[in-house]
Amino acid sequence: AQSVSQHNHHVILSEAASLELGCNYSYGGTVNLFWYVQYPGQHLQLLLKYFSGDPLVKGIKGFEAEFIKSKFSFNLRKPSVQWSDTAEYFCAVNAKAAGNKLTFGGGTRVLVKP
Amino acid sequence: DTAVSQTPKYLVTQMGNDKSIKCEQNLGHDTMYWYKQDSKKFLKIMFSYNNKELIINETVPNRFSPKSPDKAHLNLHINSLELGDSAVYFCASSQDQLGGVETQYFGPGTRLLVL
Repeated sequence: AQSVSQHNHHVILSEAASLELGCNYSYGGTVNLFWYVQYPGQHLQLLLKYFSGDPLVKGIKGFEAEFIKSKFSFNLRKPSVQWSDTAEYFCAVNAKAAGNKLTFGGGTRVLVKP
Repeated sequence: DTAVSQTPKYLVTQMGNDKSIKCEQNLGHDTMYWYKQDSKKFLKIMFSYNNKELIINETVPNRFSPKSPDKAHLNLHINSLELGDSAVYFCASSQDQLGGVETQYFGPGTRLLVL
C-alpha cells in the first residue's frame, strides 16, 4: 500500500480559481512534511515544509499547507492560481517509522487554463 | 550557479550498454541521493550517501552502482542497461545525515531512454 497518497492525479482549472491538493500519509509518530513542485521540463523545487509549530505553513508563490495530525493530512492550497502554476506537485513525507527516508506521493498534475 | 548539477541531461542508449550519470553539488552538503522517476511520475529513492558512505540502499538491481569519490559528487553507474531502466534519474543533496529532516535540493534530472 502506498504510504503517501495524493488522491487527485490531474486537476484542470482556470486562472483565478482556488486550488487545493490533497495529501495523506500512513505513518504514525513524528513526521516532517514537504510539498515540491516540478514545472514542465524543470527539476523539483521546494514549495514549503512543515517540521513543527504552527500547522498552517506559508510557502513561496502564495502557496500554503495545513498539517492536520488527526487526519494524517497535509493539503496544499492556493487561493488564486495563475497560468504559471501549471506543474506537477509532489507531497513528500519523512517519518522515523519509515527509516527517515523521504517518501513521495504519486504527484498531481495541475493545468491552469489562461 | 547551479546548486545540484547532473550530466548528461539526456541519454539515449541501446540495451546491454553500460552508462554513467554524474552528479555534483556545490552546497557543501553531507548527504547525496539518487532517485528514479518512472513514466507514471512516481519518485522513489535508490541510494543515499553521507560523506562518501552508503546510508540507504533500496531494493535496486546490482547493475546499479553508486560511486562517491568525495562528498560533493555521487555518480551512478548502470551496467547492462534494460528497457525498464528508462526513466528520469534525479540527484539530490541535503545537509543532514539522516536525509529527511533537512530539505533536499534536487538536480535537473537525467532523462534516460533505453532502446
